[in-house]
Amino acid sequence: DGGITQSPKYLFRKEGQNVTLSCEQNLNHDAMYWYRQDPGQGLRLIYYSQIVNDFQKGDIAEGYSVSREKKESFPLTVTSAQKNPTAFYLCASSMYVNTEAFFGQGTRLTVV
Amino acid sequence: AQKITQTQPGMFVQEKEAVTLDCTYDTSDQSYGLFWYKQPSSGEMIFLIYQGSYDEQNATEGRYSLNFQKARKSANLVISASQLGDSAMYFCAMRAVESGGSNYKLTFGKGTLLTVNP
Repeated sequence: DGGITQSPKYLFRKEGQNVTLSCEQNLNHDAMYWYRQDPGQGLRLIYYSQIVNDFQKGDIAEGYSVSREKKESFPLTVTSAQKNPTAFYLCASSMYVNTEAFFGQGTRLTVV
Repeated sequence: AQKITQTQPGMFVQEKEAVTLDCTYDTSDQSYGLFWYKQPSSGEMIFLIYQGSYDEQNATEGRYSLNFQKARKSANLVISASQLGDSAMYFCAMRAVESGGSNYKLTFGKGTLLTVNP
């Protein structure tokens, strides 16, 4: 089945550690996005990529990094520089400008 | 900068009634797309409806319709005949190119929590 997969669903890390969230899609979509969701804040864009080997900072990129070495994959690293990393992270992908984005099931990251 | 504004943090509606969720947007791009998503308590994001900036007619999908007023930069979602299962968070989103850029950015509002009462 085609879709977008995020793993793991729940992730716990100690403060000061980097952690990488996985996002894979087999929809042959060009564009991919990472969002952070906090209560009352909606979805805030972290990074987005329209083609392989190219990506742009979103509205809250500080403390995060990404790579887009393959069309199917867009991993997000939450670095120790991110001051408040505990949140729900959503990955999405889309084909064209005028088609909807498909979302993964999300990763809930808790930093203790 | 692109912006989506949803001014209603929460809305209540009686079952079988219609409800309108407000959304205004701001962009300098002439070609953009507007989307509505539903997020139940499970956390999944469900696409509801799309409206292109050059579409002359308002989009409709079953019980969902989008009231698109381009001059006012508003894209309100209308849900007719509300059902208990419509209780969820609703997000308005816009895909557009930022001024000076060349890549399409997908920006979301803060959402409206809709509660349908029996």
